[in-house]
Amino acid sequence: EVQLVESGGGLIQPGGSLILSCAASGFTVSSNFMNWVRQAPGKGLECVSLIYSDGTTYYADSVKGRFTISRDNSKNTVYLQMNSLRAEDTAVYYCARVAGDYTDGWYFDLWGRGTLVTVSS
Amino acid sequence: DIQMTQSPSSVSASVGDTVTITCRASQGISNWLAWYQQKPGKAPKVLIYSASSLQSGVPTRFSGSGSVTDFTLTISSLQPEDFATYYCQQGNTFPRTSFGGGTKVEIK
Repeated sequence: EVQLVESGGGLIQPGGSLILSCAASGFTVSSNFMNWVRQAPGKGLECVSLIYSDGTTYYADSVKGRFTISRDNSKNTVYLQMNSLRAEDTAVYYCARVAGDYTDGWYFDLWGRGTLVTVSS
Repeated sequence: DIQMTQSPSSVSASVGDTVTITCRASQGISNWLAWYQQKPGKAPKVLIYSASSLQSGVPTRFSGSGSVTDFTLTISSLQPEDFATYYCQQGNTFPRTSFGGGTKVEIK
């Protein structure tokens, strides 16, 4: 079955660190662009980080310098290392596979169920 | 950054109704627009990509149209399982993509 399963969320104090994992099955993460998208409680969706198939990475301004995306090809898993966490980082974090191309545009065709990160003292 | 504005923010409708949701981009994005459906506690699910292409497995009562800055999602003959929140997403400035604020479709 083609799916993504996130883990690693939890309650963390401001300034703390957390590592999220996204385990893929049914396809190879290293052959795809993989994204982390977050959704604050009752709010909309925000893309925070992307890793291209060639390993190049992208970060939204809101997390640049604090978050690091990576992947382990042997485990077919994508990670999000989150440092210096702030209250405004509180959200459900989804792992999503990117689809599309320069003709259709880029969108997200496969999502995990998400993992909740709560930053609070 | 490209801002995506959806309207209305919520709509009340009955089973069998036709619902139309609009999404406006702050600058031209060609046809690089996708629509998603999200139910409470669930991940978003893509319905439409490239403004009007139906994702595999999505019912044909969902349709999309538009280009450049103005886009529409139409749900024909609304079904009970369609009550959810819908988001548009522009892929023109990928990876700096952005979503609309969402439209909640509620039962009248």
